[in-house]
Amino acid sequence: AQSVTQPDIHITVSEGASLELRCNYSYGATPYLFWYVQSPGQGLQLLLKYFSGDTLVQGIKGFEAEFKRSQSSFNLRKPSVHWSDAAEYFCAVGALAAGNKLTFGGGTRVLVKP
Amino acid sequence: GAVVSQHPSRVICKSGTSVKIECRSLDFQATTMFWYRQFPKQSLMLMATSNEGSKATYEQGVEKDKFLINHASLTLSTLTVTSAHPEDSSFYICSARFDSTRRETQYFGPGTRLLVL
Repeated sequence: AQSVTQPDIHITVSEGASLELRCNYSYGATPYLFWYVQSPGQGLQLLLKYFSGDTLVQGIKGFEAEFKRSQSSFNLRKPSVHWSDAAEYFCAVGALAAGNKLTFGGGTRVLVKP
Repeated sequence: GAVVSQHPSRVICKSGTSVKIECRSLDFQATTMFWYRQFPKQSLMLMATSNEGSKATYEQGVEKDKFLINHASLTLSTLTVTSAHPEDSSFYICSARFDSTRRETQYFGPGTRLLVL
């Protein structure tokens, strides 16, 4: 079975600073990887996804993520954070063998200081 | 982009009553819909997978007689929490996917907050 770990529960970053959110997964084959963002009391919005090909994936809102098979990681990055990026971020892995069901990490809450 | 709606956005009910939550894909046909629940400050836990025209597949530990799922059309799935109790209070989120045989992305609804008194 697949699993996802987001080691950081909370991250506080100053507005304009760079941001990196860690995600490690466990799965026997090549996974499908996703990053979602959730604002308080809201559903999830897809930031980006990786299925195959180029391991550096560009997403919306200036986010990017890099798939590193050797490290079983799919870290999310943004060069310059805006106050509106304060939210909860979830990494998820999907697997064709599991009917493409998603398994979510525990989430990382991002706080942005002015 | 793909839009998924949920109704109601929040509901308060008395213990012992049943509550129905609707999930609709507004601009695409969803062969598969998923139901998740999310407790405060926690991640999403998959409850069940619903394919149009067939019975839902429930995750281990989820009571199928308590959480009734109906996926009668390609744009609508419903979750009914029967005889709700305070421990059922949670944030319920649905998602929809175009095609169950491909690596299609899930698109999420805005969620329904259920409070059982």
